[in-house]
Amino acid sequence: DTAVSQTPKYLVTQMGNDKSIKCEQNLGHDTMYWYKQDSKKFLKIMFSYNNKELIINETVPNRFSPKSPDKAHLNLHINSLELGDSAVYFCASSTSTGIYTEAFFGQGTRLTVV
Amino acid sequence: QKEVEQNSGPLSVPEGAIASLNCTYSDRGSQSFFWYRQYSGKSPELIMSIYSNGDKEDGRFTAQLNKASQYVSLLIRDSQPSDSATYLCAVNRGSTLGRLYFGRGTQLTVWP
Repeated sequence: DTAVSQTPKYLVTQMGNDKSIKCEQNLGHDTMYWYKQDSKKFLKIMFSYNNKELIINETVPNRFSPKSPDKAHLNLHINSLELGDSAVYFCASSTSTGIYTEAFFGQGTRLTVV
Repeated sequence: QKEVEQNSGPLSVPEGAIASLNCTYSDRGSQSFFWYRQYSGKSPELIMSIYSNGDKEDGRFTAQLNKASQYVSLLIRDSQPSDSATYLCAVNRGSTLGRLYFGRGTQLTVWP
């Protein structure tokens, strides 16, 4: 009965490969996010989708492409992986956008590029 | 200037003490404020939200907001070793998009 679930939990891959991370939420939320947490624990938003529509697209290399097939799923595809992409990627969801939005996070995917 | 600043710590307190965690933010238009707790290797977990000036209490946790000083804090009373974690302050700058800006977190250790 996990609320926000991501797969895989760990991902080790070589430079130049393409990989995907999947996220699903069963909270009935309208909005989903991808956050990146670097080695210094800094958590920064990458993308946000509201009802399958992209609403936030921070300054992220276009090697990163999110896809939302429905409002319960938000996947992240990364092309041509680089060493600097190593981080923990968190999916999150919330009931809606707005200033009182409370975001709930998945367990994270630790990506290591070697 | 960073959007959201926190003392990185580590903050170390004995069991039973009050732990005080502080956060300042740069945008006066910020509207909502959140505290997340993150255990090592785990995901951030929302523990408090506050929207109005003053105090908000929930069990052993009290969030305090002072918009004039652009300051938000979290007090943990009767600290327990299980409270040992990194505490992240997050701010919504008034965006209707739900974008949160996070501080770098304060690492708290509660020793028995």
